[in-house]
This record gives sequence, C-alpha cells and structure tokens, in this order.
Amino acid sequence: SAVISQKPSRDICQRGTSLTIQCQVDSQVTMMFWYRQQPGQSLTLIATANQGSEATYESGFVIDKFPISRPNLTFSTLTVSNMSPEDSSIYLCSVENPRAQGDYGYTFGSGTRLTVV
Amino acid sequence: GNSVTQMEGPVTLSEEAFLTINCTYTATGYPSLFWYVQYPGEGLQLLLKATKADDKGSNKGFEATYRKETTSFHLEKGSVQVSDSAVYFCALMFSGGYNKLIFGAGTRLAVHP
Repeated sequence: SAVISQKPSRDICQRGTSLTIQCQVDSQVTMMFWYRQQPGQSLTLIATANQGSEATYESGFVIDKFPISRPNLTFSTLTVSNMSPEDSSIYLCSVENPRAQGDYGYTFGSGTRLTVV
Repeated sequence: GNSVTQMEGPVTLSEEAFLTINCTYTATGYPSLFWYVQYPGEGLQLLLKATKADDKGSNKGFEATYRKETTSFHLEKGSVQVSDSAVYFCALMFSGGYNKLIFGAGTRLAVHP
C-alpha cells in the first residue's frame, strides 16, 4: 500500500482565515481524493484531484471555498478558505492502492483535525 | 443510487464478547466492499475487503463475507478486546470511471474490561 504523509495533524484557526493542508505520497498516483469528516459523522468526498487538470468537486463543494493544487503525481494540497466554525472537521486525503500489486483498495492519510474559533 | 447502511451505534460490549456490526448496501452492479476502522484521534485504516460475491475478508480476528443475495457485508469478531474500541465504517466502491468510495455512517464500538 502507499504511504501518505499528511500535515498539519491538527490546527486551531481564527474565523475568516485560511488553512492549507498538505499530502505527500511515497509513490506516483493518478488521482488523489480529499474527504471531510464532520464531528460524529461519516466521510464525505470533497473533490478528486488529477495531476495537470482542474479538480472535480462533489455536489455542495466549490473551488472558491476548497481550492486544490496538484502540482505533481505525489503531492496535493487542500485549502479551507475564509473559515467559519462550521468548517471544524477532520480533513483526510486518500489514494487508490496500485492494482498492479494486487492491493485493491484505498489508503488514507492520518487526517487533519481543524477547529475554527 | 448507491448507498451503504450500517447499524447505529454505539455498540457497547464486555471484553471477550462476540461482535456483529451489520452492513447492507444498495448498488447497481457488483461493487467491492470494505471495512475501515478509525481509532480515537487517528485517520482511517483498511481493516478488510472483499471484491466479489462469497469472498470472505479477514484481518486481526475480524471477518466479513460478501453476500450478494442479501446485499450484506456484516463485520464479526469472536472475542473483542478493549483495544478494538473504535469507529468502524463499511464502504463500497465501483471499478470503472474514477473509483469513488461510498461510506456508511460509521458504528462506534466501545469495549469495556
């Protein structure tokens, strides 16, 4: 399976500011996925990031609020912009495991626990 | 549409008790099925998976069998430990296109000594 390094692991931010979350993967991957997990809830996909193209956002999520960068095949960032307390969540990145290695499934980063005050 | 339904938690058990967490799915076609576990303060870890009907996934004493006839993928463990206390998520994935995971709501398990 891929190994993902996600940072920061947690942060407390003032409302109106922005936070950028980084994910570094130890292998090249075509797509990276960003999820949000609101307190006590399941995971919701925010967007899918392909290298060299615009990210694809799920219903209810927009680029102005959650801009994503994907400068190469091993790295991506998600920015939470103009934060409000409702953005307090855990944000996770994910990649699909290389099927050629027979490892069918997804690997997740350790998550970023964001609290907006 | 495609969806996953899990039994509501929290599930509270004594150590060495038998665990079942129910998971059923609605899907067009034949998805792959997964159980993920989230320990307190951590991200998600893949617990086990099954990619076709009648497959049994197993790991760390946990098992789940892909039942097409009942569209279910129930998680079981014969004897739980305090260290199994976590939130468990059932998920499905379709191959083809870009492969999005669809998660259930999660079931919190608390195991007491």
